[in-house]
Amino acid sequence: KNEVEQSPQNLTAQEGEFITINCSYSVGISALHWLQQHPGGGIVSLFMLSSGKKKHGRLIATINIQEKHSSLHITASHPRDSAVYICAVPKGGAQKLVFGQGTRLTINP
Amino acid sequence: NAGVTQTPKFRILKIGQSMTLQCTQDMNHNYMYWYRQDPGMGLKLIYYSVGAGITDKGEVPNGYNVSRSTTEDFPLRLELAAPSQTSVYFCASSYSTRERFSNQPQHFGDGTRLSIL
Repeated sequence: KNEVEQSPQNLTAQEGEFITINCSYSVGISALHWLQQHPGGGIVSLFMLSSGKKKHGRLIATINIQEKHSSLHITASHPRDSAVYICAVPKGGAQKLVFGQGTRLTINP
Repeated sequence: NAGVTQTPKFRILKIGQSMTLQCTQDMNHNYMYWYRQDPGMGLKLIYYSVGAGITDKGEVPNGYNVSRSTTEDFPLRLELAAPSQTSVYFCASSYSTRERFSNQPQHFGDGTRLSIL
């Protein structure tokens, strides 16, 4: 079993829908990372959170440390949100990360 | 401020050839990483470095070598290319603090798409 599991693997929705992507992990962590990979391939860090909730524009990330679960929500989704969303958790020193397999999100106009 | 720069963006190699994937960052980050990304799989750590002159193996180091002679550069070397090394390679860097288990975001390059035929 992977140490970081994401669901769903693929998600297609209509513009304007509320989107939820889930991430479960099996290791103890101090923080969880959410990243976005655009169709062109580039990867950017969206959030790093260790408790509660963080919001950036239409993106909201939540984490429940006790349940080892995090969610990424997108409100009022737009076609430009189409990307692969990846969660990752630290493991070992040197800020090394273990990554989920990613969730491919497609928002249709 | 370019961030993390990877070259080349695309490359096709024949089995047995060698090549070096270049990675440079201008953010004065101590920590640097090389990952490979295969279809449907999460990013896997190949090698990492915590500073100039210090490198260590990650999860999938076989068939690769690295060096870190300066803070800015972290090249990845493939000595004898094999079809199993066909992948997209990402270099990343992050800022380090004194705490061993501190958390900082990683900054990624745009990737190198490598095919071994």
